[in-house]
Amino acid sequence: SQKIEQNSEALNIQEGKTATLTCNYTNYSPAYLQWYRQDPGRGPVFLLLIRENEKEKRKERLKVTFDTTLKQSLFHITASQPADSATYLCALGGSGNTGKLIFGQGTTLQVKP
Amino acid sequence: NAGVMQNPRHLVRRRGQEARLRCSPMKGHSHVYWYRQLPEEGLKFMVYLQKENIIDESGMPKERFSAEFPKEGPSILRIQQVVRGDSAAYFCASSMGQASGNTIYFGEGSWLTVV
Repeated sequence: SQKIEQNSEALNIQEGKTATLTCNYTNYSPAYLQWYRQDPGRGPVFLLLIRENEKEKRKERLKVTFDTTLKQSLFHITASQPADSATYLCALGGSGNTGKLIFGQGTTLQVKP
Repeated sequence: NAGVMQNPRHLVRRRGQEARLRCSPMKGHSHVYWYRQLPEEGLKFMVYLQKENIIDESGMPKERFSAEFPKEGPSILRIQQVVRGDSAAYFCASSMGQASGNTIYFGEGSWLTVV
């Protein structure tokens, strides 16, 4: 069955450092991958979308890579700030007329001042 | 999350009652999705609707759950005869076109507690 794995343990880093979050998947060939941020008691907020034919995407301090051979995406936050502390969700989507995103359980990032 | 409006934000129901969750998509969006997030679990797809049509309901429980997106008005997720296991956060999302080519934007969720 399709499976997505994100680091279940919280990631603690110092302010100013680069945070790197990992998303691995098996038994799936996604057409695209999305990263979301979720704060406690709130809905997921869209951050970045990367398609299967793209290797890297950047947006301000965020960078996403997508390796369909390794079946892995890496999500980087450079110059991290305490305000970046949240849970980050990886979601895979297929081609065709479907709204079905398959979500990982998320990795909690804590940036310490 | 601005734009996708869900209500109520919090809902308490006794076992056996009905829960109705409403979702108004972002302006200009005609595609609506419902996801459920159980405690300590990831978001799980439930159903995908366009105006007056259910496109994909592969994630909906077979009984007690139904969804609609009428020509006029919000999308409704209806849970009949709620049980404690239905306690979860229910998120609505919308997109302008098909999800595969468009970003999906989520609302703030409706937290259902069954007592």
